[in-house]
Amino acid sequence: EADIYQTPRYLVIGTGKKITLECSQTMGHDKMYWYQQDPGMELHLIHYSYGVNSTEKGDLSSESTVSRIRTEHFPLTLESARPSHTSQYLCASSGAGSNQPQHFGDGTRLSIL
Amino acid sequence: AQSVTQLDSHVSVSEGTPVLLRCNYSSSYSPSLFWYVQHPNKGLQLLLKYTSAATLVKGINGFEAEFKKSETSFHLTKPSAHMSDAAEYFCVVSELSTLTFGKGTMLLVSP
Repeated sequence: EADIYQTPRYLVIGTGKKITLECSQTMGHDKMYWYQQDPGMELHLIHYSYGVNSTEKGDLSSESTVSRIRTEHFPLTLESARPSHTSQYLCASSGAGSNQPQHFGDGTRLSIL
Repeated sequence: AQSVTQLDSHVSVSEGTPVLLRCNYSSSYSPSLFWYVQHPNKGLQLLLKYTSAATLVKGINGFEAEFKKSETSFHLTKPSAHMSDAAEYFCVVSELSTLTFGKGTMLLVSP
């Protein structure tokens, strides 16, 4: 079982609120990722990081931002939540080397009212 | 550019019968391929991976997959389905550290 944790698991909140989704891993992985997944759909990469102070945008445009101040921590922030942000957000990490499998957290299911 | 096609959005089997989930891929390089399973309200769990070693890959929970370069396929199989196998399965291709996910196949298992 991979040691990657996401909090909260579920969040229902009103429009306009600032939200931070937490992701932490205890495996010492340099690479971390955020995906967005709508029900019954595939995953879309929205952010990734290859190490401390490194962040990049993924394939799917997102209004969220991320930071990577510590190796083990990769939080995602929405400054002003909107109903269109309702989705499941999955965090993952992977070890050194190319083509390593990614280990996933259980996700945060976000609902914006 | 790489791509993944999961040929069936839903597969229904009876408990105790074989499972076949089909995946075709395209890649410009020698890819790594993975199968992940996702149970409801959970993250993705790695079932197995192919990284250019043996073409027949054994994974967890009795699943295995065979890499066929000539057919650009990486189908997932299991000899006998269990009720606990009901979940969504994703085929993933990795090329130069970029993962591309298939759209997923929902496996339904009936008693």
